[in-house]
Amino acid sequence: NAGVTQTPKFRVLKTGQSMTLLCAQDMNHEYMYWYRQDPGMGLRLIHYSVGEGTTAKGEVPDGYNVSRLKKQNFLLGLESAAPSQTSVYFCASSLITALVSNEQFFGPGTRLTVL
Amino acid sequence: GDSVTQMEGPVTLSEEAFLTINCTYTATGYPSLFWYVQYPGEGLQLLLKATKADDKGSNKGFEATYRKETTSFHLEKGSVQVSDSAVYFCALSDQPNYGGSQGNLIFGKGTKLSVKP
Repeated sequence: NAGVTQTPKFRVLKTGQSMTLLCAQDMNHEYMYWYRQDPGMGLRLIHYSVGEGTTAKGEVPDGYNVSRLKKQNFLLGLESAAPSQTSVYFCASSLITALVSNEQFFGPGTRLTVL
Repeated sequence: GDSVTQMEGPVTLSEEAFLTINCTYTATGYPSLFWYVQYPGEGLQLLLKATKADDKGSNKGFEATYRKETTSFHLEKGSVQVSDSAVYFCALSDQPNYGGSQGNLIFGKGTKLSVKP
């Protein structure tokens, strides 16, 4: 059971380049999330998905797109990278829990630098 | 909107010292409360949680009690170890409902703890 995995672990981009970050989970979770972590800012939600084929905006969605074509995968795209998108990106997943707490399981992160 | 405020760090303690990291929250509903821990170079992992008022979450010697009257969920440990050095995040989650909240997590900014031998 690998849990939540992220690809790649590190990446350096030039301004204007595009890339896709891949998140995969093998826990059959319905919900998946993309966060960014910046110094002094905690984690901020970029986009999330409540099931295959659905996505929704989080707190800081601008400049990012996502897709959830398969239940186990959640892709985060940067169409035209900017230095402000330099960050550590975390993917997470969780079960649908209508009555109890919503524990999320996190991947190891992707460190992205945009020059 | 809902929010979480936790004490700013960094916090530096000697081994075996007592730890308290304060966390207060603002929420319109009845959130579940969490502490997540992030060890250097890793993702976050759940440390403990509480789902209703007066619940006490505990794990690995850490404890936190859900205090609705003071809207707090302070993290405590009686005797810290060097291996506890990490960043600690307080978070809350609304109860999911299909008409509104999706039960997303709202995080505090994190508190970095360093424990010296």
